[in-house]
Amino acid sequence: KNQVEQSPQSLIILEGKNCTLQCNYTVSPFSNLRWYKQDTGRGPVSLTIMTFSENTKSNGRYTATLDADTKQSSLHITASQLSDSASYICVVSARGGYQKVTFGTGTKLQVIP
Amino acid sequence: DGGITQSPKYLFRKEGQNVTLSCEQNLNHDAMYWYRQDPGQGLRLIYYSQIVNDFQKGDIAEGYSVSREKKESFPLTVTSAQKNPTAFYLCASSIDTRATDTQYFGPGTRLTVL
Repeated sequence: KNQVEQSPQSLIILEGKNCTLQCNYTVSPFSNLRWYKQDTGRGPVSLTIMTFSENTKSNGRYTATLDADTKQSSLHITASQLSDSASYICVVSARGGYQKVTFGTGTKLQVIP
Repeated sequence: DGGITQSPKYLFRKEGQNVTLSCEQNLNHDAMYWYRQDPGQGLRLIYYSQIVNDFQKGDIAEGYSVSREKKESFPLTVTSAQKNPTAFYLCASSIDTRATDTQYFGPGTRLTVL
């Protein structure tokens, strides 16, 4: 069964600090991995997408890494801002004739002043 | 202003009633999806549609129904057969259903059964 596990479940950091969120997956055959940001009460918004051959992808202060051998990904947030407070969801897609995605349960990040 | 919209934002329903959630997109996307989000769980796929007049069951389709009469619209009906309907419902669309196609999500509808 395809699974995506994220850690930690929740995290509180001070504004301006860095943090790293983790994602482990057992999705096969692997196609790509995305990180989404979901503000409370809103729909998720895609931050990055990485395929098998990519091991890092940046989007502003967000940097995602992928180790396809160990089936692990991380999302690093640099110089956090209050607006970074949200849930971050790791989503892994399998190859196939139609889109088949597995969503992680998310890491809830709170940035405090 | 392109995007995907859902209405209403909040919906209350009495037990035993059917209710329909609206989802509209003007992105000219062929594929549309409905997900359910519960606390502590990842998004779960209810139904998806690759093209007009075609839709497929997802992982938790029981108690739900959909239609896709127009490319822009993909309404979801939550029937009285759904045992635990209280949840946050998200609609999404993508150009196609290829694994590399980004899904764009609407703002969601929070359904509460009283």
